[in-house]
Amino acid sequence: AQSVTQLGSHVSVSEGALVLLRCNYSSSVPPYLFWYVQYPNQGLQLLLKYTSAATLVKGINGFEAEFKKSETSFHLTKPSAHMSDAAEYFCAVSDWGGSQGNLIFGKGTKLSVKP
Amino acid sequence: GAVVSQHPSWVICKSGTSVKIECRSLDFQATTMFWYRQFPKQSLMLMATSNEGSKATYEQGVEKDKFLINHASLTLSTLTVTSAHPEDSSFYICSARVGGLNEQFFGPGTRLTVL
Repeated sequence: AQSVTQLGSHVSVSEGALVLLRCNYSSSVPPYLFWYVQYPNQGLQLLLKYTSAATLVKGINGFEAEFKKSETSFHLTKPSAHMSDAAEYFCAVSDWGGSQGNLIFGKGTKLSVKP
Repeated sequence: GAVVSQHPSWVICKSGTSVKIECRSLDFQATTMFWYRQFPKQSLMLMATSNEGSKATYEQGVEKDKFLINHASLTLSTLTVTSAHPEDSSFYICSARVGGLNEQFFGPGTRLTVL
């Protein structure tokens, strides 16, 4: 069975500061990992994904994440936070080789950015 | 590319009535569509997976007779909430996947409020 744990339901940073959102996964098969962003009353937008190629993945809006198998982690980072980054972020894992690529989501982390 | 739409974006209905939500892939053919529900400040929970032309596969605990899913074409899936009750009030999000790709494209969501 697969699972995702996002540490910290709420993270607050100052504008211009480093953003670090944590995600740990559990998977019995090589995982595919995703980060999504959700703005209020909207669907999910893909930020980036790891699909067993490069361990450092660059996404949209300046975000990147590093897959660390030894730590079973896929933390999301951005060097300098912008006010527009304030949103809910979800980490997800998929067993693409298994059941139709179903996504298992973490509980989400709400990012607040202070001026 | 890869745009998914949902209609309506929000709906308010009386208890006991049925509500239909449409999910369309606008610029690609979706072999698989997924339906999620999201309660306030919570993560997305997969309700069911549907493949075009076949019966949907429901997750454990989701009543298939209450949440009717039809995936009649490669670009349209519908979710009908039958005999809706206030506890069915939620944010319903669909996603669509192209066969052979390990990425889901999400719709903007439908806010259902049952009075």
